[in-house]
Amino acid sequence: DQQVKQNSPSLSVQEGRISILNCDYTNSMFDYFLWYKKYPAEGPTFLISISSIKDKNEDGRFTVFLNKSAKHLSLHIVPSQPGDSAVYFCAASVGSGGGADGLTFGKGTHLIIQP
Amino acid sequence: ETGVTQTPRHLVMGMTNKKSLKCEQHLGHNAMYWYKQSAKKPLELMFVYNFKEQTENNSVPSRFSPECPNSSHLFLHLHTLQPEDSALYLCASSLDGGAVYEQYFGPGTRLTVT
Repeated sequence: DQQVKQNSPSLSVQEGRISILNCDYTNSMFDYFLWYKKYPAEGPTFLISISSIKDKNEDGRFTVFLNKSAKHLSLHIVPSQPGDSAVYFCAASVGSGGGADGLTFGKGTHLIIQP
Repeated sequence: ETGVTQTPRHLVMGMTNKKSLKCEQHLGHNAMYWYKQSAKKPLELMFVYNFKEQTENNSVPSRFSPECPNSSHLFLHLHTLQPEDSALYLCASSLDGGAVYEQYFGPGTRLTVT
């Protein structure tokens, strides 16, 4: 029973356009959400996070939106660049800090930026 | 070396073998994790160590045995594995006690059990 779901295995976006990656969760105890990016033969790297007390967090070209009532979050990348081509994982945690908490991951979405 | 390193990067072992995976972090973190990623499945948390103490064991079979001798090193000892244990094993570390935390991952060990 997957608690974090990324329903799109892949997404193709033209360079310069906006990429929107979606993530849904079922566990209402989750209060901290993260996006990770993974290139082939490398481990996932942290990209951006959001606490459940916020509905938006922005860092440069990356913005994460959280809709708690819908149990949905999304990652917006604008403008999309070729180097953004990677697998993006949504992750969630019960506990936003002050403890070592394991993360619950989605299956990932493979983002392909086309020139 | 910086960040989180894992050795070996690739490992092929028979079901009767005993092997160990090693993880080392150079970030001054005090929490370390093992994750497993099987084909077409999400990353699954296996173990959590906080200040060298195991704080979480996510119902992992006893053929996987973790060891954390200090806050910089983490091992996963493997014995009598099954073919379905073939997967990418990822180590991560984080700083416990911060207001905001992120887990930093190593490149993983690709394990094949024959």
